[in-house]
Amino acid sequence: EAQVTQNPRYLITVTGKKLTVTCSQNMNHEYMSWYRQDPGLGLRQIYYSMNVEVTDKGDVPEGYKVSRKEKRNFPLILESPSPNQTSLYFCASSFRTPSNQPQHFGDGTRLSIL
Amino acid sequence: AQSVTQLGSHVSVSEGALVLLRCNYSSSVPPYLFWYVQYPNQGLQLLLKYTSAATLVKGINGFEAEFKKSETSFHLTKPSAHMSDAAEYFCAVTEGKGAQKLVFGQGTRLTINP
Repeated sequence: EAQVTQNPRYLITVTGKKLTVTCSQNMNHEYMSWYRQDPGLGLRQIYYSMNVEVTDKGDVPEGYKVSRKEKRNFPLILESPSPNQTSLYFCASSFRTPSNQPQHFGDGTRLSIL
Repeated sequence: AQSVTQLGSHVSVSEGALVLLRCNYSSSVPPYLFWYVQYPNQGLQLLLKYTSAATLVKGINGFEAEFKKSETSFHLTKPSAHMSDAAEYFCAVTEGKGAQKLVFGQGTRLTINP
């Protein structure tokens, strides 16, 4: 089954404790992206990747890191999480850029930073 | 930078009534436009997309949207609402060279009254 898998689905942690949210897709997609969803703000793009070893900043990259060492994986790293990063996070992928390709979304990861 | 405005964070209609969800974007150059739907505790699913082939775009579940360049709008409609249409709806547009980025509106929560 074609899917984007995020782990964990839920996480409660404390300020400053490094965490990684994993994202994996099994569709051989080149494009992958991370978004955060906050009430009243919709989804905002954090980082995106056009292909292996190619990443770029979205609209809200501060406090986040990503890597793309393999085509299927695109982890999101919070080196020193803060309460303002409490949010619902989505990973998405597509064959090419969003210009003509629908994004396939994971089911989301709800992070709470205390 | 591109921006997307969805008028009305909440829309409530009766079952069988017309659904109209509004979306306006800021760019004078027609971007690629999308509507996504999010059911509770799930990721986003593509409803439909505009890629300049036709101004009236038909999507899944009976939804359609009309691109109006003069109004920079891409409103979503459905002639007759069904209880299963209750969800949050997001309008999105591409941005950047090669349309590498995706910018979302704030979202509209649709409630269907029996």
